[in-house]
Amino acid sequence: EAQVTQNPRYLITVTGKKLTVTCSQNMNHEYMSWYRQDPGLGLRQIYYSMNVEVTDKGDVPEGYKVSRKEKRNFPLILESPSPNQTSLYFCASSLSRGYGLNYGYTFGSGTRLTVV
Amino acid sequence: AQSVTQLGSHVSVSEGALVLLRCNYSSSVPPYLFWYVQYPNQGLQLLLKYTTGATLVKGINGFEAEFKKSETSFHLTKPSAHMSDAAEYFCAVSDEPNNAGNMLTFGGGTRLMVKP
Repeated sequence: EAQVTQNPRYLITVTGKKLTVTCSQNMNHEYMSWYRQDPGLGLRQIYYSMNVEVTDKGDVPEGYKVSRKEKRNFPLILESPSPNQTSLYFCASSLSRGYGLNYGYTFGSGTRLTVV
Repeated sequence: AQSVTQLGSHVSVSEGALVLLRCNYSSSVPPYLFWYVQYPNQGLQLLLKYTTGATLVKGINGFEAEFKKSETSFHLTKPSAHMSDAAEYFCAVSDEPNNAGNMLTFGGGTRLMVKP
């Protein structure tokens, strides 16, 4: 089944403890992206990747890192999480950025992160 | 910069009643417009989109939306609500897919509740 898989689904952590949220897609998509969803703010893009080894900042990149060493994986790294990073995170992918804008993106089921 | 405003963070309708979810946007270039739906504990799914051509677009599950340039609106409608329509709906706007600037900008979301 074609899908975007995120892990974990739920995570509670403490301030300052490094964590990684994984994202993997099995559709050979070039484009991948991370969003955070907060009440009343919709989804805001954190980082995106046009292809392997090509990443760029979205609208809210502060406090996050990403890497794209292989096409299928796009992990989101929080080096020193803070409570304001408590949010629902989504990974999305598409054949290409343009394809996604025409035909829609495939989203993962989300990771609910709580930083205490 | 583009922006999206969804009027009403919560909308409640009775089963069988008309569904109207409002979306207004601002964009400096001809926009591409989207509606995504998010069912509980799931990622976002593309409901429908407008890129070019006919301004009334039909999506899945009986939803449709009309692009009105003069009103900068892209409201989502469904003639008769069903219990299974209860979800959160997001309107999104993008520049043309070949534009290297901003990509998808989401509205704050509208949670649709359907009463029996």
